[in-house]
Amino acid sequence: SQKIEQNSEALNIQEGKTATLTCNYTNYSPAYLQWYRQDPGRGPVFLLLIRENEKEKRKERLKVTFDTTLKQSLFHITASQPADSATYLCAPGPDKVIFGPGTSLSVIP
Amino acid sequence: NAGVTQTPKFQVLKTGQSMTLQCAQDMNHNSMYWYRQDPGMGLRLIYYSASEGTTDKGEVPNGYNVSRLNKREFSLRLESAAPSQTSVYFCASSGTGSGSNQPQHFGDGTRLSIL
Repeated sequence: SQKIEQNSEALNIQEGKTATLTCNYTNYSPAYLQWYRQDPGRGPVFLLLIRENEKEKRKERLKVTFDTTLKQSLFHITASQPADSATYLCAPGPDKVIFGPGTSLSVIP
Repeated sequence: NAGVTQTPKFQVLKTGQSMTLQCAQDMNHNSMYWYRQDPGMGLRLIYYSASEGTTDKGEVPNGYNVSRLNKREFSLRLESAAPSQTSVYFCASSGTGSGSNQPQHFGDGTRLSIL
């Protein structure tokens, strides 16, 4: 069956550093992959979409890579800030977008 | 600009009771979804509706029914609530049919406890 895995442990980093979150998938060949941010008590909010023919996508301090050979996407937040603390979800698609379990990121001042 | 609105925000039920979770979107989206989110499990799709008048099962449909009342509204019904259905329920909508690359827009959830 299709499986999505993200960093199993919470990620704690110092303010100003780059945070790197991992999304791995198996038994699946997604045409694209979405990343969402979820704050406590709120619904997920869409951040970025990257297609299989795009190796890298950037939006302000965010960068996403998509390696279809490794079946992996990396999500980077550069110059991280305490306001970036949240849970980040990856969601490969199409064919009924499936969400990963999420990675909790804490940026320490 | 409300986006996706879910009601109620919180609910406590007794085992065996029934209830309907309401969801409405004002973005003229065709597709709507119901998920449940449990600790360590991530978001799991219960049912989705690719367009008005159609509904399909997701990963965990047992114990639930849905109604796509019109383009704006998509409700989720628990006919006989069980403690295993204690969860946070999210409704979402997206711009085109299921499987498109349109991002999903989520409501802020209904926190449901079943005693």
